[in-house]
Amino acid sequence: KNEVEQSPQNLTAQEGEFITINCSYSVGISALHWLQQHPGGGIVSLFMLSSGKKKHGRLIATINIQEKHSSLHITASHPRDSAVYICAVRYYGGATNKLIFGTGTLLAVQP
Amino acid sequence: DTGVSQNPRHKITKRGQNVTFRCDPISEHNRLYWYRQTLGQGPEFLTYFQNEAQLEKSRLLSDRFSAERPKGSFSTLEIQRTEQGDSAMYLCASTLGLSYTGELFFGEGSRLTVL
Repeated sequence: KNEVEQSPQNLTAQEGEFITINCSYSVGISALHWLQQHPGGGIVSLFMLSSGKKKHGRLIATINIQEKHSSLHITASHPRDSAVYICAVRYYGGATNKLIFGTGTLLAVQP
Repeated sequence: DTGVSQNPRHKITKRGQNVTFRCDPISEHNRLYWYRQTLGQGPEFLTYFQNEAQLEKSRLLSDRFSAERPKGSFSTLEIQRTEQGDSAMYLCASTLGLSYTGELFFGEGSRLTVL
């Protein structure tokens, strides 16, 4: 079982739809990252959060520490949002500085 | 400063050859990470530097892999005697500060294809 699980693995939406991508993890964390990766491209950090909720434009990220769960929401989705969205966590208090990544959610927004 | 820079962007090599990738982090970022990503998977941690010191190395990194960051600025990742299983995207990321929660900035990656 992966330490970071994302759902769904693949998501197709129509332009304008509200989208939710979920991330669950199995250990205590100090931070959770949401990242975006376009096909063949590098990774862009969208959010880093350790509690509550953050909003940037049409993107909203929430985290529930007790439930070990985070969601990424995209409002009024657009074809340019098509990408892989990756959740990554950093363990709380560990000596390691590595991030543990989920396998990603491939989002395709159709016009 | 335009962000984290990696080169080459693509490398095709024959099995058994050595390859080297370079990462130039955002200037003044003291932490640098190498990750490997295969198709359909999330990135996997390989190694991490704080300044010039290599502080952690994944068990994924066999003896054929070596990484350096000689002056605490750019870093190189060398793979000796490449194997087909080494084919992947090699990602570099950097961050600033001593906190474990620093935001990471990723490069575009170096894609390796071993024939």
